[in-house]
Amino acid sequence: AQKITQTQPGMFVQEKEAVTLDCTYDTSDQSYGLFWYKQPSSGEMIFLIYQGSYDEQNATEGRYSLNFQKARKSTNLVISASQLGDSAMYFCKDGNQFYFGTGTSLTVIP
Amino acid sequence: EAGVTQSPTHLIKTRGQQATLRCSPISGHTSVYWYQQALGLGLQFLLWYDEGEERNRGNFPPRFSGRQFPNYSSELNVNALELEDSALYLCASSKDRYEKLFFGSGTQLSVL
Repeated sequence: AQKITQTQPGMFVQEKEAVTLDCTYDTSDQSYGLFWYKQPSSGEMIFLIYQGSYDEQNATEGRYSLNFQKARKSTNLVISASQLGDSAMYFCKDGNQFYFGTGTSLTVIP
Repeated sequence: EAGVTQSPTHLIKTRGQQATLRCSPISGHTSVYWYQQALGLGLQFLLWYDEGEERNRGNFPPRFSGRQFPNYSSELNVNALELEDSALYLCASSKDRYEKLFFGSGTQLSVL
């Protein structure tokens, strides 16, 4: 069965620094996608960025970018120039099924 | 354009009662998903509805059920409530199962 793994329960980053959040996908599918979502303390889930396994370039959306390593089936989220408002839970989700990883709690330190 | 709306925002029930949670998807979205998020934990997949039919369900007992109406809105019913059902219930919608999900603000269910 497919499985999404996020190995970092909690991360801290200094304001204005970059941080990388890990996500790996255990699947035998050759075609797949991975989504990243942000969940602030308010509870609502917000879509951030998506990577397809056949995309030629790593996805980028503003300060968010993905470091996609196809052989490892990992799609790590890079947040550049961290802001206090980036403090939240971050979840990755497989694009073929309905399952989320366990999430990473990011705290941005002023 | 209106986003995904859920009602009620908060719901307080006692053990053994039934709870009904409602969700209206974004206009044009036919797929609706339900997730349970217990305090401090991740999202557990409950149900997927598309075109009025239940298409998939997660590892939850049958007392978790729901339906999707012709206008694509959806209802989640939880029967014989147990204390551990206390959680945030999130509804999401999408155009199809491979596209990004748009989430509502959730219903916080408390079982006393």
